[in-house]
Amino acid sequence: NAGVTQTPKFRILKIGQSMTLQCAQDMNHNYMYWYRQDPGMGLKLIYYSVGAGITDKGEVPNGYNVSRSTTEDFPLRLELAAPSQTSVYFCASKAIANTGELFFGEGSRLTVL
Amino acid sequence: DQQVKQNSPSLSVQEGRISILNCDYTNSMFDYFLWYKKYPAEGPTFLISISSIKDKNEDGRFTVFLNKSAKHLSLHIVPSQPGDSAVYFCAALRVSGGSQGNLIFGKGTKLSVKP
Repeated sequence: NAGVTQTPKFRILKIGQSMTLQCAQDMNHNYMYWYRQDPGMGLKLIYYSVGAGITDKGEVPNGYNVSRSTTEDFPLRLELAAPSQTSVYFCASKAIANTGELFFGEGSRLTVL
Repeated sequence: DQQVKQNSPSLSVQEGRISILNCDYTNSMFDYFLWYKKYPAEGPTFLISISSIKDKNEDGRFTVFLNKSAKHLSLHIVPSQPGDSAVYFCAALRVSGGSQGNLIFGKGTKLSVKP
């Protein structure tokens, strides 16, 4: 069972570069999320989606964009990378709204220099 | 303003003893509280949850206690094992009142269980 798969696992970007973090889940979950985790901090919600074609901003959306064209995929786009976006990014999914049981990917460590 | 607070960044416990991880919250409208466990270089994994209408939930060595009047919950691990060494995140979920069902996480507590 693959669950939630994130790519790449590591990436170094220069300031101003763009990139996309990929996330795919094979559990047919409607709800998908992108979180970032900074050292000593909890998980901050960037964007989320409640189904294909529907996305919404979380707590820290600035500098990011998402799309959800299929149930399986939820890519996160960084358009102009900044050092403040150095973080570990986690994609997660869940089946229904009224459950807290999220399934997380292994994370993508991004460094912006 | 943090709605879910874990005030202890770290905790060290001897193997075989009890580990108690604490969490406080400010929003009385939360419906569920959850604990997630995270090992280095891995994503968080769900550990145990409790409904706001309960005061205790037990799953093997793990028990979560909820004190609604104090807006406080705790995770007890008995007996603690070296494999329990990880970062533990407390999280809260509101499903009523038109909420989207998004989790709010605390900052985490790093548990070290020493052999």
